[in-house]
This record gives sequence, structure tokens and C-alpha cells, in this order.
Amino acid sequence: GAGVSQSPSNKVTEKGKDVELRCDPISGHTALYWYRQSLGQGLEFLIYFQGNSAPDKSGLPSDRFSAERTGGSVSTLTIQRTQQEDSAVYLCASSLKRGIEQYFGPGTRLTVT
Amino acid sequence: AQSVTQPDIHITVSEGASLELRCNYSYGATPYLFWYVQSPGQGLQLLLKYFSGDTLVQGIKGFEAEFKRSQSSFNLRKPSVHWSDAAEYFCAVGDYGGSQGNLIFGKGTKLSVKP
Repeated sequence: GAGVSQSPSNKVTEKGKDVELRCDPISGHTALYWYRQSLGQGLEFLIYFQGNSAPDKSGLPSDRFSAERTGGSVSTLTIQRTQQEDSAVYLCASSLKRGIEQYFGPGTRLTVT
Repeated sequence: AQSVTQPDIHITVSEGASLELRCNYSYGATPYLFWYVQSPGQGLQLLLKYFSGDTLVQGIKGFEAEFKRSQSSFNLRKPSVHWSDAAEYFCAVGDYGGSQGNLIFGKGTKLSVKP
């Protein structure tokens, strides 16, 4: 079946602009995760959604970052007033439920100029 | 705090040679452990997982890993490396305490394969 999809695959934006990154999880997966991958920091957890519960936002680096998940499916990660240090690959993953293996999308490469 | 250490940043092996990638974890409870592989410009692909039971787990592409609780290790092995195995490999532990659900990753080991 279809895997996790993310769009856009690449995004170049100017410093100070807002960006939205989209994730379509595997159908039926109740858990959805966002991670950030950068050269200096490796793979960092950002936010986790489980069903209709309040998300775990403990990994968000600042209040410029937010995410929502509509209808228990598609998720959007929004970065406001982007900074150069936000440049990274943003990876989305989903799993059938909490506590088991996660399946990753191809990522969105964000470049802030 | 929970953490994962991959001591080797970069490893080069000859095609056909055996491979072992090291992973050590720090986790208070029973760990849920994973190995993922990432090819350039791609997302992460799950190679194998350990939740409980047999400490030697088999994965895709001929990889296996052994969980050693006494050494807090989960090393990845392959008897004979193929050129297509060149990629970056990440070890991860599931951070499932409380209501959390994320993975904690090591910094990765980049594998190069010599012909």
C-alpha cells in the first residue's frame, strides 16, 4: 500500500516568511510524528499526535513552530517567521499505534535564505 | 536521560566483507530498539526491531542485530556487504515512558563500500 507522503519535497523561503509542510500518513495509522534532521543536531523529535488526544509538543524548539492534525489523518507543520537555523530536513512518520515501529516519509528539505 | 550512542561516525568496508555497526543505549526500562537505514535524499527505512523475546533478530536485506542487556548494546551485523548497502544507518530507542511515543536516535553511522 501507499507509504507516508510529504509535500513539498523541497522548499526555499526567505528569512521571516511562514512555511507550511504537509504529511499524509499511512491509512489507518493512529500515531503521527514529526522529526527534524540537521547536520549539527542529527534527528530530533518535534511533535507527536496519537488519535484524538492532545499532542505531545515537548520537542518543539520554539513557539514559532506549531502543528495540527485534521480528522486524525493529514498533518501540517507550520513554522512562522523562519530563521536560517530552521534549515533542515523535516521528516514525518506514522505508526499503527503508539509503541511500535514507525514508518517514515521522504522528508521536506527546507532552506531558509 | 535516555540516549543512543553510535560510536562510529564513518565506516568503510570492502564488498563481500562482514559488517558490524555498534549501538549502545541508555534507557531505564525495557528498551524497544530499532535500526533504520537512510540512502541519500531518502527517508528512513526500517531494517529491524527488537521488542522482547529472542535477542537475535532478523531484518530485511540480510541484516541481523543482537540485543545484549548486560552491555546495553544492539549491534547491527551483516555477513557479506553489497555495494548497495552504502548508506547511513541509525539506531533508535522508543521513548515510551508515560504518554510519550517518539524515537530517540543515535547520530548515525555512514557506511561506505569499497569495490
